[in-house]
Amino acid sequence: QVQLQESGPGLVKPSETLSLTCTVSGDSFSSYYWGWIRQPPGKGLEWIGYIYNSGSTNYNPSLKSRATMSVDTSKNKFSLKVSSVSAADTAVYYCARLTSGSLILDYWGQGILVTVSS
Amino acid sequence: DIQMTQSPSSLSASAGDRVTITCRASQSIDSYLNWYQHKPGQAPKLLIYAASSLQSGVPSRFSGSGSGTDFTLTISSLQPEDFATYYCQQSSSTPLTFGGGTKVEIK
Repeated sequence: QVQLQESGPGLVKPSETLSLTCTVSGDSFSSYYWGWIRQPPGKGLEWIGYIYNSGSTNYNPSLKSRATMSVDTSKNKFSLKVSSVSAADTAVYYCARLTSGSLILDYWGQGILVTVSS
Repeated sequence: DIQMTQSPSSLSASAGDRVTITCRASQSIDSYLNWYQHKPGQAPKLLIYAASSLQSGVPSRFSGSGSGTDFTLTISSLQPEDFATYYCQQSSSTPLTFGGGTKVEIK
């Protein structure tokens, strides 16, 4: 059974960089895309982007180039950084596995709440 | 971006009821439509992919239909564990986009 677990600070100051890591267990890390999705309080789900194990990425233009993803295949982990955060970046952040080619989110983590506040 | 519109945004139903949730895409997405179930504090769970394919391990009371722009998720006989929020998501093109969600509550 594939399991994903998000980790990182729950509080980030405005203008700083949000950094999260997702640890994957239970299956091969290869041959899949790995993505991030967020949900601001009271709002809908927003796809942030995904990364392949080769390092190739695809981001949502709505983040205006503030998002950066990386992958560490030796540790079965992938990461997200969002720069220059504001209160609008306060959200529950989810990591997920995407099936290659069809972009279906077949496994998700439980999510981590990140609050942007001074 | 492809906009996904779900309806209703919430509904109240009793155990045993048949429940139908609809999702409409702003342009044709063929059958690139997936459905998820989300309970508070839990990881969202994939129910249906490619509009009508049941994910492994998901009970057969869940079914999906549709193609093009109009899609439906049906729960044939609502069970107590089905009370949750349901989301549709298009995987036709990036940016991937989701419907606003349908909260299924106990009547």
